[in-house]
Amino acid sequence: GAGVSQTPSNKVTEKGKYVELRCDPISGHTALYWYRQSLGQGPEFLIYFQGTGAADDSGLPNDRFFAVRPEGSVSTLKIQRTERGDSAVYLCASSPWDRLIPYEQYFGPGTRLTVT
Amino acid sequence: GENVEQHPSTLSVQEGDSAVIKCTYSDSASNYFPWYKQELGKGPQLIIDIRSNVGEKKDQRIAVTLNKTAKHFSLHITETQPEDSAVYFCAASTNNDMRFGAGTRLTVKP
Repeated sequence: GAGVSQTPSNKVTEKGKYVELRCDPISGHTALYWYRQSLGQGPEFLIYFQGTGAADDSGLPNDRFFAVRPEGSVSTLKIQRTERGDSAVYLCASSPWDRLIPYEQYFGPGTRLTVT
Repeated sequence: GENVEQHPSTLSVQEGDSAVIKCTYSDSASNYFPWYKQELGKGPQLIIDIRSNVGEKKDQRIAVTLNKTAKHFSLHITETQPEDSAVYFCAASTNNDMRFGAGTRLTVKP
């Protein structure tokens, strides 16, 4: 079946602009995760959703970052007033979810964000 | 919070040799330990995982071991092939809160 998809695959924006990154999870997966990956590093947790609600947003670096998942499926990561330090690959993952049992997370290909 | 350390950062082996990557974690509550393979320009791909109630798991040429007392786990790849060349990440998770190591760049020389 279809995996996790992310759009756009690449995004170049100017410092100070607003960007939206989209994630389409695997159908039926209730949990959705956003990570940020800088060059040469492992994915860094940003936020995860259980259904429509953000279950843990402790990884968001500051209030310029925000994410939504209004219908419990597609999610959008929003970054306001972008800074050059925001340049990274933004990864999305989804998984089935059980409160007591951690499930496998399946990753999308990522969106490479470049802030000039 | 959880802290995952991964070693080595780079590993080069000859085709057919074995490769071992080691990780340690800090949170004793972590109960799920996946390994991901990431090729250039792609997202991480799950290759094997182990849960805290199991000490070892094997899938063809890949095996993972877990020592909960020492809080470390390892990935073993036997009979390496050039297509195994990639960056490998370990991770530790506590109820869906997953933290990754910094990665190991594995190069398999033909």
